[in-house]
Amino acid sequence: DAKTTQPTSMDCAEGRAANLPCNHSTISGNEYVYWYRQIHSQGPQYIIHGLKNNETNEMASLIITEDRKSSTLILPHATLRDTAVYYCIVRGNSGYALNFGKGTSLLVTP
Amino acid sequence: KAGVTQTPRYLIKTRGQQVTLSCSPISGHRSVSWYQQTPGQGLQFLFEYFSETQRNKGNFPGRFSGRQFSNSRSEMNVSTLELGDSALYLCASSLLGFTGGLAEAFFGQGTRLTVV
Repeated sequence: DAKTTQPTSMDCAEGRAANLPCNHSTISGNEYVYWYRQIHSQGPQYIIHGLKNNETNEMASLIITEDRKSSTLILPHATLRDTAVYYCIVRGNSGYALNFGKGTSLLVTP
Repeated sequence: KAGVTQTPRYLIKTRGQQVTLSCSPISGHRSVSWYQQTPGQGLQFLFEYFSETQRNKGNFPGRFSGRQFSNSRSEMNVSTLELGDSALYLCASSLLGFTGGLAEAFFGQGTRLTVV
């Protein structure tokens, strides 16, 4: 699976959009981008995944650049409950586990 | 529908003892994976079971083992506990698992194991 690079931490004001970047410059054609988050002391929670098209669900939007070397997870209206560690994971069909890495610690402030 | 249930939530054991943790996946899910989370190493894959068979295993010593029952419930066992085994143990359930395909995983709340 391709390696990902995320900022260690980010802040966001409540009610504003939170944009979390992820670099995955070695991604190959059959590898998907997954996002999970982990709120303190809970198990990770699946958010969204995509291959090359932008994706949106009730939780977030995923924007993948045309060359697929980076992506951005967007939480459109961040709330205090969105404070968590966000993991960007790239994996293909041959993988059998999720490689979580260090993730980005997002702090949403009032 | 009910989520992934892990029991117990908290556990304190003494070095040298063994421990068994339990995971009940989402109804209909056939794959159960286990992860260990520590502050220093983050989330690390232990093993995956699918239809009662261990399909994949992470880089952990043989003291860590598991099994899956016909109803897809899974248990993991750690023998001869060491202080370094103190961690949050997480179970993830998915419909088909990751091998050869894609699936989102649903995690339980975890079991917090403390070895003293």
